[in-house]
Amino acid sequence: AQSVTQLGSHVSVSEGALVLLRCNYSSSVPPYLFWYVQYPNQGLQLLLKYTTGATLVKGINGFEAEFKKSETSFHLTKPSAHMSDAAEYFCAVRYTGTASKLTFGTGTRLQVTL
Amino acid sequence: EAGVTQFPSHSVIEKGQTVTLRCDPISGHDNLYWYRRVMGKEIKFLLHFVKESKQDESGMPNNRFLAERTGGTYSTLKVQPAELEDSGVYFCASDAPTSSEQFFGPGTRLTVL
Repeated sequence: AQSVTQLGSHVSVSEGALVLLRCNYSSSVPPYLFWYVQYPNQGLQLLLKYTTGATLVKGINGFEAEFKKSETSFHLTKPSAHMSDAAEYFCAVRYTGTASKLTFGTGTRLQVTL
Repeated sequence: EAGVTQFPSHSVIEKGQTVTLRCDPISGHDNLYWYRRVMGKEIKFLLHFVKESKQDESGMPNNRFLAERTGGTYSTLKVQPAELEDSGVYFCASDAPTSSEQFFGPGTRLTVL
């Protein structure tokens, strides 16, 4: 069965520190990969996505992620955390050639401290 | 351009009652999806409409859930009768046929007491 694993349900970083949120997927075929963010009392917003081409993708708010096929990973990073980055982050996959549904990880809540 | 909208934003009902959630997708989006997040767990797919047809309903938990999309525009998700385990946040999303990105609504938080 296809699955997405996000290591760490809660991550805390200091303002200005590196943000690293991990995501691994299981699939024999490279899927489309997404990171969504949910700010308090809001819906899911797309941060970035990988479909084809360059494996390092840049998204909004200074976030980026790198697709590593050999590691079946799509970790999300940001060089310097800001207080406004505090939110819940979801990694998701969409398998090409099959149903268009998204399969999500369990989410990682990011806390940014002073 | 208006985004995906959902109504109501919150609903609190008693076990055994009926609740109907509504989703209005982005205009022109043929694909409409329902997802649910039960507290502390992952967001799970419920079903997928292409226009008014159910393309994939493999995620629907049981026959207490009924989804419709008459006319291929807005969709409703009815839970009847509601059970305690139905509590959670119900998200709706839509996309165009050739798009890789799904656009999500703000969700409906359902609490069954």
